[in-house]
Amino acid sequence: QLQLQESGPGLVKPSETLSLTCTVSGGSFSSSRYYWGWIRQPPGKGLEWIGSILYSGSTHYKPSLKSRVTMSVDTSKKQFSLKLSSVTAADTGVYYCATFRQGDEYFQHWGQGTLVTVSS
Amino acid sequence: DIQMTQSPSSLSASIGDRVTITCRASQSITRYLNWYQQKPGKAPKVLIYTASSLQTGVPSRFSGGGSGTDFTLTITSLQPEDFGTYYCQQSYSAPWTFGQGTKVEIK
Repeated sequence: QLQLQESGPGLVKPSETLSLTCTVSGGSFSSSRYYWGWIRQPPGKGLEWIGSILYSGSTHYKPSLKSRVTMSVDTSKKQFSLKLSSVTAADTGVYYCATFRQGDEYFQHWGQGTLVTVSS
Repeated sequence: DIQMTQSPSSLSASIGDRVTITCRASQSITRYLNWYQQKPGKAPKVLIYTASSLQTGVPSRFSGGGSGTDFTLTITSLQPEDFGTYYCQQSYSAPWTFGQGTKVEIK
């Protein structure tokens, strides 16, 4: 059973870059079965997909965030990462990493989430 | 982007009640519709995928239906542990989008 764990700073200053890493355990990282994705949730609000990346490095980003988002993978460490630049208070929220199961097309495994606050 | 609209936004029901949540897509998504349950402070958990497939380990009192633009999630006999917020999500066309959520409370 795949397990995911987010890590990274909990506080980021406005205009700076948010950086998070997701570490995968309990299964194969280099599998074409899953896209590795990021989803966020502002406090008290709903879920927003940010983007996804395949182990090969192929990416899909939400168009409205595309200019600020970069995702990458490190297969040797079984990790994938998110960078979101030029953050504002609107980027505050819980960030989840998750697997997107291809074929059945749903978010199957989720990390516990990490709260990122954008504030000076 | 495909817009997903859930109704109601919240509901309160008694143990044993039948509960139905609806989700409408702004365009046809065939059957690419998933349902998640989220409890306070926890990550979402998938219940139903591709409209009606029950995820392994999810109780059979949960069921999904629909196709095209209109979908339902039904809990046939509400249990105390079913409180939380339920989200629909379309995976027909990127960017993947979620409904705004339906908060279920136990009376």
